[in-house]
Amino acid sequence: GAVVSQHPSRVICKSGTSVKIECRSLDFQATTMFWYRQFPKQSLMLMATSNEGSKATYEQGVEKDKFLINHASLTLSTLTVTSAHPEDSSFYICSARDRLAKETQYFGPGTRLLVL
Amino acid sequence: GENVEQHPSTLSVQEGDSAVIKCTYSDSASNYFPWYKQELGKGPQLIIDIRSNVGEKKDQRIAVTLNKTAKHFSLHITETQPEDSAVYFCAEADYGQNFVFGPGTRLSVLP
Repeated sequence: GAVVSQHPSRVICKSGTSVKIECRSLDFQATTMFWYRQFPKQSLMLMATSNEGSKATYEQGVEKDKFLINHASLTLSTLTVTSAHPEDSSFYICSARDRLAKETQYFGPGTRLLVL
Repeated sequence: GENVEQHPSTLSVQEGDSAVIKCTYSDSASNYFPWYKQELGKGPQLIIDIRSNVGEKKDQRIAVTLNKTAKHFSLHITETQPEDSAVYFCAEADYGQNFVFGPGTRLSVLP
């Protein structure tokens, strides 16, 4: 149980284009989903917290107009990187908190974004 | 602000030996402490967690100990195997709050 999927697993795009990443909880309901960014050999950096049916809460320094988050249902959250630039290239990971399991977060497999 | 320190940053052990990773935290209100294993190119996988009302928890070769007074918790892996090689992250959270992650420990198990 507690499986989280992400799609796509990797994406290469041209500078200036937008990229959408999907995060799904497959076998549980997630009232809260989190989006993280991870640079090579570094820890996870929380970008934003998304609650189903409400606006996302962004961490300090994360541009909400650049990283659009939509949490339309209890099993799906999307992150759209708008007007991507090479510095946005990174490993993006989502996690989901089980509505019934309090604090526990289950992570997706990650999405490798490369902006040329 | 909240901070989690993790040591060592890298750890090499011989197959069959034990590995210990220690984390210290600053927020006395923290009450949930998970450990994650991350293999190269993959997302973190929850391997064990402990809550503040428990001092130790074990799951086969993996155990976690918590010392709330000293504000530290440790991951113990016994009888290590090559497939245990990965980066391990500790984290802490207050109920309902976001995780604060440690910087990670790269474990290498040498055959």
